[in-house]
Amino acid sequence: QKEVEQNSGPLSVPEGAIASLNCTYSDRGSQSFFWYRQYSGKSPELIMFIYSNGDKEDGRFTAQLNKASQYVSLLIRDSQPSDSATYLCAVRPSGGSNYKLTFGKGTLLTVNP
Amino acid sequence: DTEVTQTPKHLVMGMTNKKSLKCEQHMGHRAMYWYKQKAKKPPELMFVYSYEKLSINESVPSRFSPECPNSSLLNLHLHALQPEDSALYLCASSQRPNYGYTFGSGTRLTVV
Repeated sequence: QKEVEQNSGPLSVPEGAIASLNCTYSDRGSQSFFWYRQYSGKSPELIMFIYSNGDKEDGRFTAQLNKASQYVSLLIRDSQPSDSATYLCAVRPSGGSNYKLTFGKGTLLTVNP
Repeated sequence: DTEVTQTPKHLVMGMTNKKSLKCEQHMGHRAMYWYKQKAKKPPELMFVYSYEKLSINESVPSRFSPECPNSSLLNLHLHALQPEDSALYLCASSQRPNYGYTFGSGTRLTVV
């Protein structure tokens, strides 16, 4: 079973702080990694994707990938109350259909004003 | 158009009813998906269509029947559902395998 693990939280940070969300995966051959944000009662929204080792920055968001450690993280700088949501890590596993994503259970982030 | 449109947004149906969920995208994406999401759980893959052909069925019960009439449309036909099938049903599409999904806003289904 190819698994994606996330700390379910809740992770609570003060406004303006850096929020750090972590994800580990079991399939060493995984190629593509995604972070989705999901507000309560809404559908997931893609916020970042990363394919190569290292960091990828987009505005206040930075995705970090370390394939050797099978670890992907999302940093949110200058956290805002509007960032309060569940963050889902998704991984495209190796083998089988390239179209399938495996989701982690998500981390609930609360940003306190 | 960068959206995936799902209808209806809410649906209440009895266990003997037949209903359909509809999903539409005009982004030229050639892969479309149905996911089911229960409260406080991650999305669970149900079906994948690639180039209008069913490529993945995650052992979904036959009371759920997908259909892809053309490259822009995806339907999910529902028949004789159980109360435990109540969930948020999400449609998604993607341009290529390595691209992330674009999700629709979902249909919240309640089976009574």
